Amino acid sequence: GAVVSQHPSRVICKSGTSVKIECRSLDFQATTMFWYRQFPKKSLMLMATSNEGSKATYEQGVEKDKFLINHASLTLSTLTVTSAHPEDSSFYICSARDGTSGRANNEQFFGPGTRLTVL
Amino acid sequence: AQKITQTQPGMFVQEKEAVTLDCTYDTSDPSYGLFWYKQPSSGEMIFLIYQGSYDQQNATEGRYSLNFQKARKSANLVISASHLGDSAMYFCAMREPGGKLIFGQGTELSVKP
Repeated sequence: GAVVSQHPSRVICKSGTSVKIECRSLDFQATTMFWYRQFPKKSLMLMATSNEGSKATYEQGVEKDKFLINHASLTLSTLTVTSAHPEDSSFYICSARDGTSGRANNEQFFGPGTRLTVL
Repeated sequence: AQKITQTQPGMFVQEKEAVTLDCTYDTSDPSYGLFWYKQPSSGEMIFLIYQGSYDQQNATEGRYSLNFQKARKSANLVISASHLGDSAMYFCAMREPGGKLIFGQGTELSVKP
């Protein structure tokens, strides 16, 4: 199956710093990528939809200036948590949709996630 | 608005027995897709099974089968012959137009030896 990577897998930072998380589709072109946030023992909450070459579409309640998303190429999307605070500590997962192969079923592939801890 | 509901926060099953994880959904769109994912403690989301709204037969993938009852808007996951490695969080999800997935609350499955 298709492979999506995320980097870093784990990051610890000080309050007030910015953290960038990368999501890469390794063997397919991802016209659309999605960013999710997950708290312990909770569901995945969609934060934003990222389309290559255009602005991301944010879900209601997600601060655009706080969570900057860039999808500069068909294989890379980045999420930057700006001026991170302890309440931003969470598990961030990206998924990528294969826009070229015409897959109809399991066309969305998840990265392994990034665990962010803000001290 | 589309909605996915998993009413079982936690489930226990004896090793080698079958278990059913419940999922109901609500949508006004006639075309939709339903997914089940497994999330072990490592956090990765593992795709298990998919059911399209127009599929005539219930989806099956090895030990996983999806009991799709369209009129009742339910898409329960059945795991046959459970083993210890099946212990994990399980999420039901529905694909909205545009491709994004909305997830249920999740069910934590524990398989007892």
